[in-house]
Amino acid sequence: DGGITQSPKYLFRKEGQNVTLSCEQNLNHDAMYWYRQDPGQGLRLIYYSQIVNDFQKGDIAEGYSVSREKKESFPLTVTSAQKNPTAFYLCASSRGKGETQYFGPGTRLLVL
Amino acid sequence: AQSVTQLGSHVSVSEGALVLLRCNYSSSVPPYLFWYVQYPNQGLQLLLKYTSAATLVKGINGFEAEFKKSETSFHLTKPSAHMSDAAEYFCAVSDQGGGADGLTFGKGTHLIIQP
Repeated sequence: DGGITQSPKYLFRKEGQNVTLSCEQNLNHDAMYWYRQDPGQGLRLIYYSQIVNDFQKGDIAEGYSVSREKKESFPLTVTSAQKNPTAFYLCASSRGKGETQYFGPGTRLLVL
Repeated sequence: AQSVTQLGSHVSVSEGALVLLRCNYSSSVPPYLFWYVQYPNQGLQLLLKYTSAATLVKGINGFEAEFKKSETSFHLTKPSAHMSDAAEYFCAVSDQGGGADGLTFGKGTHLIIQP
């Protein structure tokens, strides 16, 4: 089955620690996205990538970093500079700009 | 800049009653419009999408939405609510292939179904 996988389902971060969230898709989509979801806030775009080896900052990129070395993979690192990382993180992919985005199941990040 | 407003953070209806979830958007260019549904602790699932073809769009699970340009609205309806419809619903807007690269989401409406 084609789809998007995210791992882990739950992730715990200690003070000052960087953590990486995994996102993999087998839909052969060019574009991939990371969103952060907080209660009552909707989804906010962190980073996006329209093509391999290229990515752009979204609305709330501070404290996050990404890479896009393979078409199928778009990992997100939450760095120690992100002071309020507790949230639900959603990865999505699409064929291109403006096209339907398909979402993974999400990773919930909690701070110890 | 695009924006989406969903009226009502919580909507409660009785099982079997009409469901109406409101969405208004602003966009400087003709938009693509989307409705997604999210069940607890899960990702978003596409319900339906408007792409400037028919103004009345039918989606999954009996939902439909009507694009009204004069009202800049894209409200979601279902004639008869079912208990399984209880979830969070998000309206989103995108430029038609240009401009913004991500979707702009509303803050969501939590649909509660009363037995």
